[in-house]
Amino acid sequence: KAGVTQTPRYLIKTRGQQVTLSCSPISGHRSVSWYQQTPGQGLQFLFEYFSETQRNKGNFPGRFSGRQFSNSRSEMNVSTLELGDSALYLCASSPGQGHNSPLHFGNGTRLTVT
Amino acid sequence: GQQVMQIPQYQHVQEGEDFTTYCNSSTTLSNIQWYKQRPGGHPVFLIQLVKSGEVKKQKRLTFQFGEAKKNSSLHITATQTTDVGTYFCAGISSGSARQLTFGSGTQLTVLP
Repeated sequence: KAGVTQTPRYLIKTRGQQVTLSCSPISGHRSVSWYQQTPGQGLQFLFEYFSETQRNKGNFPGRFSGRQFSNSRSEMNVSTLELGDSALYLCASSPGQGHNSPLHFGNGTRLTVT
Repeated sequence: GQQVMQIPQYQHVQEGEDFTTYCNSSTTLSNIQWYKQRPGGHPVFLIQLVKSGEVKKQKRLTFQFGEAKKNSSLHITATQTTDVGTYFCAGISSGSARQLTFGSGTQLTVLP
């Protein structure tokens, strides 16, 4: 079974731009969660999507948004990029809604904002 | 909001020594999960604990969930260089929105 696939692996953007990250979950997994990982803040929860609906949201500004498609693939968008948005963005899938079952992480997208 | 603290932040051990990382939550947890992230890699699920006082073993790794379900520990016996990485605990608060809150992680270095 293929794992969680995230594209692209690396991105360099300029302040003020926007970016879209993509995540394909493990086949059969309907929940996709996004996390931001930075050295200073660790792993911070962004949001969770299940059956194309956002089920849960962390404490991030509205510049961070996402969506999920009918095939469970998910995208995350960050608008008006700031230097502090530089981070590793991790997507994780799980079979059901919520995090009561293990999360399967992708390799992440490394975003650098200059 | 829920906070999950993890100590120590860093740990250097000589190969063959034991290692323990501790996790404490500000709220009662419905379950706790442990993940390992190798340098340059992504978090990989190790185990999930659900019951109060639960102890689980995976070869040299022993995981415990506290009686009050507010703390947990991971103990590695006789570390090997393959144990290098950052170990994260992650918990879900009882009655919460069911999102995993991760601890800050313990970065383990094993010296040969």
